[in-house]
Amino acid sequence: AQSVTQLDSHVSVSEGTPVLLRCNYSSSYSPSLFWYVQHPNKGLQLLLKYTSAATLVKGINGFEAEFKKSETSFHLTKPSAHMSDAAEYFCVVSVDNNDMRFGAGTRLTVKP
Amino acid sequence: DTGVSQNPRHKITKRGQNVTFRCDPISEHNRLYWYRQTLGQGPEFLTYFQNEAQLEKSRLLSDRFSAERPKGSFSTLEIQRTEQGDSAMYLCASSSNRATGTDTQYFGPGTRLTVL
Repeated sequence: AQSVTQLDSHVSVSEGTPVLLRCNYSSSYSPSLFWYVQHPNKGLQLLLKYTSAATLVKGINGFEAEFKKSETSFHLTKPSAHMSDAAEYFCVVSVDNNDMRFGAGTRLTVKP
Repeated sequence: DTGVSQNPRHKITKRGQNVTFRCDPISEHNRLYWYRQTLGQGPEFLTYFQNEAQLEKSRLLSDRFSAERPKGSFSTLEIQRTEQGDSAMYLCASSSNRATGTDTQYFGPGTRLTVL
């Protein structure tokens, strides 16, 4: 079975400081991993995806994530938070693209 | 806007009534997915279509839930005899497996269902 655990339900940072959203996954096979962002009243938007190529994946809006097999982690980072980054973030694992398992989400708050 | 669209955006109904939601995928996408998202949780996969064929439906929540995609374009999700526990956001996504590499699912804005 495959699953993801998002270790923090809520993260609060100050504008201009680094962001770290943590995700651990469980999968019997080589997984594909994704991060999606959900702004209020908007659809889920793909930030980045890992599909067994480079372990450091760069996404949109300055976000990146590193796949660490030994730690079964896929943490999302950004060097400097912006007010517009405030949203809900979901880590997703997929073995078969038709079976995507979402984490419970991490709400990111950015303080001015 | 050429993204995934869903209608209606909000639906309020009384317990026991039937409801139907519509999803229009990105036009060139052959795969379409339905998810349910409850408050404080991530989306939960329900079913998916490749063209008009429903290839996975074992994770529909009960036999009150059904989905169709008759011409391989738009899809409908119907909930019969709604219950208060059906209150949630229903999300639709589409993707194309004709592209190289892992296909990416693109999500619509969702339909929020409230069952009174």
